[in-house]
Amino acid sequence: DIVMTQSPDSLAVSLGERATINCKSSQSVLYSSNNKNYLAWYQQKPGQPPKLLISWASTRESGVPDRFSASGSGTDFTLTISSLQAEDVAVYYCHHYYSSPFTFGQGTKLEIK
Amino acid sequence: QVQLQESGPGLVKPSETLSLSCTVSGDSISNYYWSWVRQPAGKGLEWIGRIYSRGSTTYNPSLKSRLTMSIDTSKNQLSLRLSSVTAADTAVYYCARHGTANSPFDPWGQGTLVTVSS
Repeated sequence: DIVMTQSPDSLAVSLGERATINCKSSQSVLYSSNNKNYLAWYQQKPGQPPKLLISWASTRESGVPDRFSASGSGTDFTLTISSLQAEDVAVYYCHHYYSSPFTFGQGTKLEIK
Repeated sequence: QVQLQESGPGLVKPSETLSLSCTVSGDSISNYYWSWVRQPAGKGLEWIGRIYSRGSTTYNPSLKSRLTMSIDTSKNQLSLRLSSVTAADTAVYYCARHGTANSPFDPWGQGTLVTVSS
């Protein structure tokens, strides 16, 4: 199984400041035949299901604010919130869909400092 | 827009079989892949398995021996059965759609809490 490891486990950032979450996979999730990284980021608020923010490592989903961006390739990925808003308080998960079994990172809890 | 709604008993006794349904509205269930994901309270997400609209399945090896997934295109519904449950199977269970076998999950259902307890 591909193990997804996020860092940090929790993060407190001031409103308007940058938040950065890292995700490392135990093996590459870059598919060489199409040069795509099979990596997504989700946001989960209390009592809600996960919401897809980013697919293919860096493609922001429709309706997701542009303060959310993501990058990385192979085994190392980053989700960045450029200017933290109160509504961004949530747990963020990375997820690989490269091969079965799909797995998720353990989650990063983002709070306001 | 497509909506997913999980349903089933909220309480299951140990050693019995957990049975859940996911009803899809707003779009056809056909030509998509559907996954089940679970989340114990306060913990992370675990992928259970996926099913294609034509019935082919891929299960998480950690659950494979106890798992059956099925799909009913006439009812636009998918089902999950997990046998011989223990307290470790207590979780919120989500269904989610993905466009291909290997693609991100979107959207997700609201989830249904299943508690395993006597």
